[in-house]
Amino acid sequence: GAVVSQHPSWVICKSGTSVKIECRSLDFQATTMFWYRQFPKQSLMLMATSNEGSKATYEQGVEKDKFLINHASLTLSTLTVTSAHPEDSSFYICSAPLQVEAFFGQGTRLTVV
Amino acid sequence: DQQVKQNSPSLSVQEGRISILNCDYTNSMFDYFLWYKKYPAEGPTFLISISSIKDKNEDGRFTVFLNKSAKHLSLHIVPSQPGDSAVYFCAASGDAGNMLTFGGGTRLMVKP
Repeated sequence: GAVVSQHPSWVICKSGTSVKIECRSLDFQATTMFWYRQFPKQSLMLMATSNEGSKATYEQGVEKDKFLINHASLTLSTLTVTSAHPEDSSFYICSAPLQVEAFFGQGTRLTVV
Repeated sequence: DQQVKQNSPSLSVQEGRISILNCDYTNSMFDYFLWYKKYPAEGPTFLISISSIKDKNEDGRFTVFLNKSAKHLSLHIVPSQPGDSAVYFCAASGDAGNMLTFGGGTRLMVKP
């Protein structure tokens, strides 16, 4: 199947710093990518839809100034968690649709200390 | 309002037996359903899907059944293997390839 590469797989950062997470579609072009967040023992919650060449669409309750999304090319979308706080600690996963399926990155475990 | 629900947070099955994971949805606009398997600290991996025009789709040990009138789908794994132990998410889409709405997940434990 298609491959979506996400990195870093885990990151620990200090409170107040920013963290960038990259999501790449390796063997196909993705005009759309989705960013999800998963809290422990909970489901995957859609945060935003990243669109190549245009602004991202954020779900209700997600702060767009805190979670900056850039989709500069057809194979790369980035999520930057700005001024991270401990409550932002979570598992972040990107996904790119291809035909009738969606392929997921490996996920990024963010821990803010 | 949870549009996709997996009411069983966990399921324990003996190796070799059948595992049945259930999922209910409320949005009648959903027309495509998928099952994903997820190990800890990894992204979900696609297992099997079904379009609303079908009521069954089979792939090896995995079979998904869809009951549109009941807005219910289930994933059958037979025979279950210890390597199947993971969290299983059902997901629904109103447009193939569009964003997915996930259920809460069911943790399957297959005992040797």
